[in-house]
Amino acid sequence: QQQVKQSPQSLIVQKGGISIINCAYENTAFDYFPWYQQFPGKGPALLIAIRPDVSEKKEGRFTISFNKSAKQFSLHIMDSQPGDSATYFCAAGADNYGQNFVFGPGTRLSVLP
Amino acid sequence: KAGVTQTPRYLIKTRGQQVTLSCSPISGHRSVSWYQQTPGQGLQFLFEYFSETQRNKGNFPGRFSGRQFSNSRSEMNVSTLELGDSALYLCASSASQTPGELFFGEGSRLTVL
Repeated sequence: QQQVKQSPQSLIVQKGGISIINCAYENTAFDYFPWYQQFPGKGPALLIAIRPDVSEKKEGRFTISFNKSAKQFSLHIMDSQPGDSATYFCAAGADNYGQNFVFGPGTRLSVLP
Repeated sequence: KAGVTQTPRYLIKTRGQQVTLSCSPISGHRSVSWYQQTPGQGLQFLFEYFSETQRNKGNFPGRFSGRQFSNSRSEMNVSTLELGDSALYLCASSASQTPGELFFGEGSRLTVL
């Protein structure tokens, strides 16, 4: 019940295309859903996050779509660029859990020039 | 503003030894969390400290321990090392007591031979 599922495991997109990564969770106590981006040799960095009181949040080229009833959320990267090539992790947290987040297994994105 | 600093960045130990990893959070951040990252298990929460108190603990054996000092710096210790402890250990600091942005360091890569 604590697991966060993430797909696809890897994704190849042409420059300018849309990258879509999906995540699903089971624990209804989760109420904070961040996405992290990690480059090789670096720690993850927060991209964007959402709480379940909204169904969508957009920041620049990055959009989170959230479906509370389906317990699913997704990351859309518009106009994907080679510099977006990285590993992306979705995560889920809850107020009672502090900074104890459950992370998805990650998606390795490659954007071809 | 300096980021999260972890030392050492790389270390090699043998089975049965112990190791201590250090983390200096961003100035003003009182929450420090530790995560283990491996190719097989992904990012897994170890523990979180806030104002020198352990607030949350993940599902790791008692060989994994940590502490936080009055200046918010944190250390984690792994005793009686096993081959499976080889991983990237990431420290993250946060300004928030509730789920919020984690600022990760670049990690300490531990190899157990």
